[in-house]
Amino acid sequence: GNSVTQMEGPVTLSEEAFLTINCTYTATGYPSLFWYVQYPGEGLQLLLKATKADDKGSNKGFEATYRKETTSFHLEKGSVQVSDSAVYFCALSPLNSGGSNYKLTFGKGTLLTVNP
Amino acid sequence: GAGVSQSPSNKVTEKGKDVELRCDPISGHTALYWYRQSLGQGLEFLIYFQGNSAPDKSGLPSDRFSAERTGGSVSTLTIQRTQQEDSAVYLCASSSRVGALQHFGDGTRLSIL
Repeated sequence: GNSVTQMEGPVTLSEEAFLTINCTYTATGYPSLFWYVQYPGEGLQLLLKATKADDKGSNKGFEATYRKETTSFHLEKGSVQVSDSAVYFCALSPLNSGGSNYKLTFGKGTLLTVNP
Repeated sequence: GAGVSQSPSNKVTEKGKDVELRCDPISGHTALYWYRQSLGQGLEFLIYFQGNSAPDKSGLPSDRFSAERTGGSVSTLTIQRTQQEDSAVYLCASSSRVGALQHFGDGTRLSIL
C-alpha cells in the first residue's frame, strides 16, 4: 500500500537556521506530493505541492523537490523564523483507477520549534 | 462562510455515549472528506463524499462509525458507543471536485472519558 515516512522530531532550531525535514514515500505510479502545515490551534493548510518528478514546490521560503529516483520530497528552508513554529506533514495522493487523486496519505508529522 | 467549518470544536463525552460531529464545507464544493488525527496513528483517511454518496468509506475503523451528507453540503460523522480509543481530532476537508485541492477545517477534538 501507500505510505509516507517523515522524520518525527521534534526539531528545535534557532531563528535564521537552515531547516530540512526528510520525507520518503512508497506508492505505485506517480502520486502527487504535498507538504501541509498545522499552526497551533489551527487546521491543516497546504504549504506546497508537486505533481510530477523533478517538480519543485515552493511557498513562503519553503521548497521541496519531487525526486522519483529516491522516492523523496524533503522540505527545506534557508532561514527559519519564529513564526514557522508548527507541525509539518508530508503527504501523498495517488491516482486512482478513475484518474483522480483524492485520498491523502500522511506522514506522522514533525513538530518544529524555532527559538528567537 | 469562507472556509470549512466544523462543530463542535471540542467535545468531551463518556465512554459508551454516541456523538455527532458536523462539517460545513466551502459553498459549492462537491467533494467532502473526513480524516482522523490521533496520537501514534497520525492522520488517517476515513471516508469521502462526492455529492451525497460515499464512493470510498474504506477508512472507517469499525461499524460504530458512520457518516452521511445531505443536500450536497453539510456532513455528519456519527460514532456510536464511543470507546476511549476514539479520542482524536476529527478533521473535515472539502474540494471543488474530487482530486482538487482539499481545504481543511480546524477540526473537532473528541475526548472520551
